[in-house]
Amino acid sequence: QVQLVQSGAEVKEPGASVKLSCKASGYTFSNYDIHWVRQATGQGLEYMGWINPNSGNTDYAQNFQGRVTLTRDTSISTAYMELSSLTSEDTAVYYCSRDKVGPSPLDLWGQGTLVTVSS
Amino acid sequence: DIQMTQSPSSLSASVGDRVTITCRASQGISNYLAWYQQKPTKLPKLLIYGASTLQLGVPSRFSGSGSGTQFTLTISSLQPEDAATYYCQKYNNVPTFGQGTRLEIK
Repeated sequence: QVQLVQSGAEVKEPGASVKLSCKASGYTFSNYDIHWVRQATGQGLEYMGWINPNSGNTDYAQNFQGRVTLTRDTSISTAYMELSSLTSEDTAVYYCSRDKVGPSPLDLWGQGTLVTVSS
Repeated sequence: DIQMTQSPSSLSASVGDRVTITCRASQGISNYLAWYQQKPTKLPKLLIYGASTLQLGVPSRFSGSGSGTQFTLTISSLQPEDAATYYCQKYNNVPTFGQGTRLEIK
């Protein structure tokens, strides 16, 4: 079964970091870039960045430059997203998704991970 | 980053109506434009890519057009199940989403 399975919900204090995982199965991990998108409650989709699992190359949206780091472990077909210096405005559902390498739309999404930032 | 602007932000229409949503890119993006549908508590669903290519399984009442900086999503005959929020996305270089258009059925 082709799927992306994300790690569980997180609660963090302001100023902390969070690292989420996204495990791919049912397809060749290296053939698809992994993207990260977040959505605050009642708000729109906000794009964060992507990683090429094969090369490890990354690119980040301007709003997240310097605060987000995308990595991957090809041995276990898993991508990671680490977001630092958390504030309450980072409270959101974080999604991983994939696209075929090369400019392509997002055709598969993980189930999402809720990150709550609260003191 | 290139900005994507959708209009309207929300609309209300009746079953059977023809509905059009517009997406404008701040710079030309050729046809690297996708449309997604998202219903409450659900994942985004890819409807259209390449500005006008219908994703497999998507009803033919959905269509897309445009190139460069101006794009449209059209629903030819609105159905009750089309109530959702629709997002455009440019997917070349660093992808970006529009802010969304909330479609309500009267």
